[in-house]
Amino acid sequence: DAMVIQNPRYQVTQFGKPVTLSCSQTLNHNVMYWYQQKSSQAPKLLFHYYDKDFNNEADTPDNFQSRRPNTSFCFLDIRSPGLGDAAMYLCATSALGGTGPDTQYFGPGTRLTVL
Amino acid sequence: GQNIDQPTEMTATEGAIVQINCTYQTSGFNGLFWYQQHAGEAPTFLSYNVLDGLEEKGRFSSFLSRSKGYGYLLLKELQMKDSASYLCAVKDSNYQLIWGAGTKLIIKP
Repeated sequence: DAMVIQNPRYQVTQFGKPVTLSCSQTLNHNVMYWYQQKSSQAPKLLFHYYDKDFNNEADTPDNFQSRRPNTSFCFLDIRSPGLGDAAMYLCATSALGGTGPDTQYFGPGTRLTVL
Repeated sequence: GQNIDQPTEMTATEGAIVQINCTYQTSGFNGLFWYQQHAGEAPTFLSYNVLDGLEEKGRFSSFLSRSKGYGYLLLKELQMKDSASYLCAVKDSNYQLIWGAGTKLIIKP
């Protein structure tokens, strides 16, 4: 089945210790998104790739970086995690990133704990 | 600024009908989406409205009024498995999804 896969599902890191979250997709979608979601809050878009074009949201901290080495994979790097970065990180994909329904399909998420 | 408003929490009884409202103020409009999110899981797509009116899909229906900046999700014949958060999202003029904080729906037997 075509899907969005995130690894790991749970990640524990220490304050200030770099961490990388990964996302892969078998949907062959052009657009990949990274969201941060805290409990009972709306998903917050951090950045997205339209193919290889990187789009950073204006309020995404510099502490968050992303890489998309190919169509299938996308990585979220948190250079120096703080306690406030503890959250669920959701990867999503969509075919076009434009008009029409262009539904976003989400992976299961990675829950990050910062000690 | 852009804003999506939906109730924080609703409670309903198994077998009943519930309507979850969503009002939006966005820069442009390119569709209203509903997603279901069970606790600790990723959102899953439920419905999409871009024209005014009601879209029916089994037990779930979604309504849109663009002139009022308003939509709702209607869930019929509620089942215990429908206990989840329901997220309203609007695609703005830049084709970015603006998300609401979600409505936590609690189903009681």
